Order: sequence, then structure tokens, then C-alpha cells
Amino acid sequence: DTGVSQDPRHKITKRGQNVTFRCDPISEHNRLYWYRQTLGQGPEFLTYFQNEAQLEKSRLLSDRFSAERPKGSFSTLEIQRTEQGDSAMYLCASSSPQEAGPYNEQFFGPGTRLTVL
Amino acid sequence: GQNIDQPTEMTATEGAIVQINCTYQTSGFNGLFWYQQHAGEAPTFLSYNVLDGLEEKGRFSSFLSRSKGYSYLLLKELQMKDSASYLCAAAQGAGNKLTFGGGTRVLVKP
Repeated sequence: DTGVSQDPRHKITKRGQNVTFRCDPISEHNRLYWYRQTLGQGPEFLTYFQNEAQLEKSRLLSDRFSAERPKGSFSTLEIQRTEQGDSAMYLCASSSPQEAGPYNEQFFGPGTRLTVL
Repeated sequence: GQNIDQPTEMTATEGAIVQINCTYQTSGFNGLFWYQQHAGEAPTFLSYNVLDGLEEKGRFSSFLSRSKGYSYLLLKELQMKDSASYLCAAAQGAGNKLTFGGGTRVLVKP
């Protein structure tokens, strides 16, 4: 098992463009989370999935943001009409309540760093 | 609302002990996590407390008081590689989403 992977690792785009990020969780982890982190701050929760169902969305997730997990495995996060304020590190994490040890911790991917010019 | 507070920065000497405090106010509390994050890297899990008391894992220990909404992370025998940001996070709700504090940047000096 290679852990949570994210692609791309870096993305530079111009304001107004659409971008899509991908997250591959640890195999058979049924929960997948998206967070956003700006420099010098802690991560902020955006949304989470249990299997293919999106069960919670933060108020931070405006209508320009959409996330999917169509088959309950990988997930995509799309940002439409990007703004400079969207520049951040987008982190994906996964966990598995059924298989977890005593901690049920979330395992984080390396993140996608988005820069909007 | 949700609120997690921790100091912004701490400096300590190699070999010493540092204690990072965290206070929280959250609903649907499911436990308190500590993560370590080196610059430009993903957060990695350090410890978890759900019941009151102290959990010890090698050089790292974490304490929780649910009635006081308070936790601390204790780092002993500091090493240069411990220079990193330490994130306090409360797990909430059925989905166990994490609400993070701003992180405490620890600088270990020789």
C-alpha cells in the first residue's frame, strides 16, 4: 500500500480558468476528505465522502467548487472560474472506521498546491 | 461555533522538553488528534485522545481534559528533526471531520 496519492502536485492557472484535482485514497478506505490549507494556517475542512456518497460540505465550499467520488474509490475536486483567493494547498485524506485501530486516524496525501495568477 | 487555539510559535533547545497547549470548543466532539507537519509536506498522525488522561508514545505524550476543553502535546528529548508545525485537531460528528487549530511552529536549536 503506497498511501494516499494526489495529482497533480502543483498547478498554476490563470484567474477564471477551471481546474480539477484527483485523489486516490488508501485501498478500501471508505471515507475520503478534502481540506484546504493556506500558508501558516491549519487545514480547513471542505467536504467528505463515505463510499460514493457526499455526506457533508463546508460553507467554504462555494458553488464554484464540486467534488465527486463516482465509484467510491478515487475522488475529484473541481474549481470553476478560479479566483486568486483559491490559491492554497488542497489536501486529501482517507480513513476506514471498520478497519481502523484504536485511533481511526485520517491519512493525508501530499497535497496539490494551486496558484491562481 | 468551532474554535481551536494553540500558540503560533515555540523555540526550544535540542534535548529539552516542550509542551504545546491547545484549547478547543467544538460540538459533537469525538476526540483530539495531534499531527506533525514539516514544511511543504502532508500532516502525519502523532497521537489521539478521546478519554481524559495521558497517552504516551515514545518521546511524544498527549493529554486531554474534556471538561476543560484542553489538551497538550509533550515532546521530550527534542531532536533537530522535530522542528516542524504541530497541529491540534478536534474530530467532530458522525463523519469524524477534523477542525484544526492554526498550528504551532516549533523551532529546535542546537
